[in-house]
Amino acid sequence: DGGITQSPKYLFRKEGQNVTLSCEQNLNHDAMYWYRQDPGQGLRLIYYSQIVNDFQKGDIAEGYSVSREKKESFPLTVTSAQKNPTAFYLCASGSYQPQHFGDGTRLSIL
Amino acid sequence: KQEVTQIPAALSVPEGENLVLNCSFTDSAIYNLQWFRQDPGKGLTSLLLIQSSQREQTSGRLNASLDKSSGRSTLYIAASQPGDSATYLCAVRDQAGTALIFGKGTTLSVSS
Repeated sequence: DGGITQSPKYLFRKEGQNVTLSCEQNLNHDAMYWYRQDPGQGLRLIYYSQIVNDFQKGDIAEGYSVSREKKESFPLTVTSAQKNPTAFYLCASGSYQPQHFGDGTRLSIL
Repeated sequence: KQEVTQIPAALSVPEGENLVLNCSFTDSAIYNLQWFRQDPGKGLTSLLLIQSSQREQTSGRLNASLDKSSGRSTLYIAASQPGDSATYLCAVRDQAGTALIFGKGTTLSVSS
């Protein structure tokens, strides 16, 4: 079945540590996205990529980094510069067609 | 800057009731509008997508309408069931086809 796989489901970050969230899709979509969701809030865009080897900052990119070396993969790194990383992170793909989402990664601070 | 608002923030209804969820957006120059469902701790499931040239879309007990000129969309749920309990999110995509802009959602609770 086609879809988006995010891993891990839960992640804990220590002070000063960088962590990487994985996102893989087999929908053959060119565009991929990372969103952050906080309790009671809508989703906010962190980064997006419309084609391999290219990506753009979203509304809240500070403290995050991404890469897009393969069409299927769009990993997100939460760096130590992100001072409030505790949130639910959602990866999505699809541009003009309906957007599809993964099941999310919940990141917490140790 | 596009802003999306959803009213009400929460809604509780008895099973069997028909209900309407509202979504409004400030910039009518959208490409499409999408309604999603989110269960607690889960990702988003797409329910309906309405292109800017369309007025409505239907899927089973769900009907979504779009009035682009007034910046409004509604999601109508007929004969609600306890399994419909979830958070419903509305999102619009601009004409450049970049990322979706989301409302904060309406949390629906249907009691049996």
